[in-house]
Amino acid sequence: ENVLTQSPATLSLSPGERATLSCRASQSVSSSLAWYQQKPGQAPRLLIYDASNRATGIPARFSGSGSGTDFTLTISSLEPEDFAVYYCQQRTSWPSMYTFGQGTKLEIK
Amino acid sequence: QVRLQESGPGLVKPSQTLSLTCTVSGVSVNSGTYYWTWIRQHPGKGLEWIGYIYYSGTTYYNPSLNSRLLISIDTSTNQFSLKLSSVTAADTAVYYCARSYYKAFDIWGQGTMVTVSS
Repeated sequence: ENVLTQSPATLSLSPGERATLSCRASQSVSSSLAWYQQKPGQAPRLLIYDASNRATGIPARFSGSGSGTDFTLTISSLEPEDFAVYYCQQRTSWPSMYTFGQGTKLEIK
Repeated sequence: QVRLQESGPGLVKPSQTLSLTCTVSGVSVNSGTYYWTWIRQHPGKGLEWIGYIYYSGTTYYNPSLNSRLLISIDTSTNQFSLKLSSVTAADTAVYYCARSYYKAFDIWGQGTMVTVSS
């Protein structure tokens, strides 16, 4: 199983600051990595797919980068609505299955 | 507008079978472009992929649940379903259905809480 490890577990920042979230895979996933945002009581929302492609309607302040085993989600300037939990996710081709990271909680400092 | 909606009992007794249905609107489950997926989230925890089904009926399951799991699809009603047998308290979770596209889940249902308790 390809394990995804996210860091840090919690990130405390202020609105307007830059956020950098990390996701590391135990085996290469090429560029097959996605990022999600989840707010309390809501379903996750897709932010980034294929490591660096923004999903429909996602603001430009969200960007993704990386390939292989190391990936980063960057939020260039935090808005109040960005404070949430973020998950990375990958799909392996064989066996065909998906795994998620354990999440990073982005909280207001 | 594509929408997914989970439905099913919110309370299941231990050892029984958990059954949920996802009703899809705005797109046909018969489309070969997408995989139709179940994901769950234990209270206060992260996300766990359960399994998915393709329009053809091909399924892939999380190995940790494989022996208890059945996912099916009904193209006539535009729904897909989950059955998880022999449930225990460890199966208490919010269950989401989702659409998989480009190896990611781009559309999610709102989720339904299922509690396993006698």
